[in-house]
Amino acid sequence: GAGVSQSPSNKVTEKGKDVELRCDPISGHTALYWYRQSLGQGLEFLIYFQGNSAPDKSGLPSDRFSAERTGGSVSTLTIQRTQQEDSAVYLCASSLGGQGYEQYFGPGTRLTVT
Amino acid sequence: AQSVAQPEDQVNVAEGNPLTVKCTYSVSGNPYLFWYVQYPNRGLQFLLKYITGDNLVKGSYGFEAEFNKSQTSFHLKKPSALVSDSALYFCAVRDKAAGNKLTFGGGTRVLVKP
Repeated sequence: GAGVSQSPSNKVTEKGKDVELRCDPISGHTALYWYRQSLGQGLEFLIYFQGNSAPDKSGLPSDRFSAERTGGSVSTLTIQRTQQEDSAVYLCASSLGGQGYEQYFGPGTRLTVT
Repeated sequence: AQSVAQPEDQVNVAEGNPLTVKCTYSVSGNPYLFWYVQYPNRGLQFLLKYITGDNLVKGSYGFEAEFNKSQTSFHLKKPSALVSDSALYFCAVRDKAAGNKLTFGGGTRVLVKP
């Protein structure tokens, strides 16, 4: 079946601009996660959505980062006033639930802030 | 706080030889442990997980891992490596008591030489 999809695959933006990254999880998966992968920081957790519960935002690095999940499916990660240190690959993952369920990752969005 | 260590940045092995990728973890409660593999310009692919039960878990592509609670380790192994196993491998842990986010190790690059 279809896996996790993300768009765009690549995004180049100027410093100070806002960007939106989109994630379509696997159908039926109730949990959705955002991670960031960068050379200096490795893989970092950003935010987690589970059903109708309040999201776990504990990994968001600043208030310039926000995310929403509409209708329990598609999610958008928004970065306002982008900075060069925001350059990274942003990975989305989904799973059937929390705890012991494995997460399935999308191909990522490579963000470059110039 | 939960953490994962992968002590080797790179592992080199000849094709046909056994492959081991090391991982140790630290959690306050009981862990869920995962291995993922990342091929160039691809997202992370799930290999295997330990939740409970048998300490030796088997996963995709002939990989297996052994959970050792006393040594807090979860090393990934393959009896006979293939050139196609060359990739970046990540160990991850989820502490049952700390929510559903995954904490990843820094990754180990595996190079299998023909």
